[in-house]
Amino acid sequence: GAGVSQSPSNKVTEKGKDVELRCDPISGHTALYWYRQRLGQGLEFLIYFQGNSAPDKSGLPSDRFSAERTGESVSTLTIQRTQQEDSAVYLCASSLVRGGLNEQFFGPGTRLTVL
Amino acid sequence: GDSVTQMEGPVTLSEEAFLTINCTYTATGYPSLFWYVQYPGEGLQLLLKATKADDKGSNKGFEATYRKETTSFHLEKGSVQVSDSAVYFCALMEYGNKLVFGAGTILRVKS
Repeated sequence: GAGVSQSPSNKVTEKGKDVELRCDPISGHTALYWYRQRLGQGLEFLIYFQGNSAPDKSGLPSDRFSAERTGESVSTLTIQRTQQEDSAVYLCASSLVRGGLNEQFFGPGTRLTVL
Repeated sequence: GDSVTQMEGPVTLSEEAFLTINCTYTATGYPSLFWYVQYPGEGLQLLLKATKADDKGSNKGFEATYRKETTSFHLEKGSVQVSDSAVYFCALMEYGNKLVFGAGTILRVKS
């Protein structure tokens, strides 16, 4: 079946503008994650959604970042008043959550460049 | 907090050479450990995993053993191929299904 998809694949924006990034998880996956990968660095956890539970927002770097998810479907990550340090690849992952280890499947990412 | 440290790259090897990419971790409990791979132009893929001490994860000729005493999970392959050229990420998962990643190691294999 289809994997995790993300759009757009590339986004160039000017400092101060708002951007919205979209993630379509694998159908049936109850958990959805957002990560950020800055140049030369590992992935940083941003936010985690699991079913109807309150999301774990502990990785969001500032209040300019927010994310929503409707049910067990699409998620959007919004960055308001973008700054140059927000430039990164934003990765989305989804997983089934059941007893034991839950493998996360990653999308191709959105490369965000803030000029 | 939890963290993962992996050897800096790039690592450049000739085909059929032996590969080791070192990975050590810091965690408060007993995490699960992973190696992810990112091939050029592709998304991140799970390569192998281990969930408890002394477990060995293996896939596509790659192996890594969970060493609790040294808090390590080094990636090895006996004979690399050009097609193994990629970025390799070591990661751990402890609480809340969040993955904590190392910075990644670029592997370049020359024919």
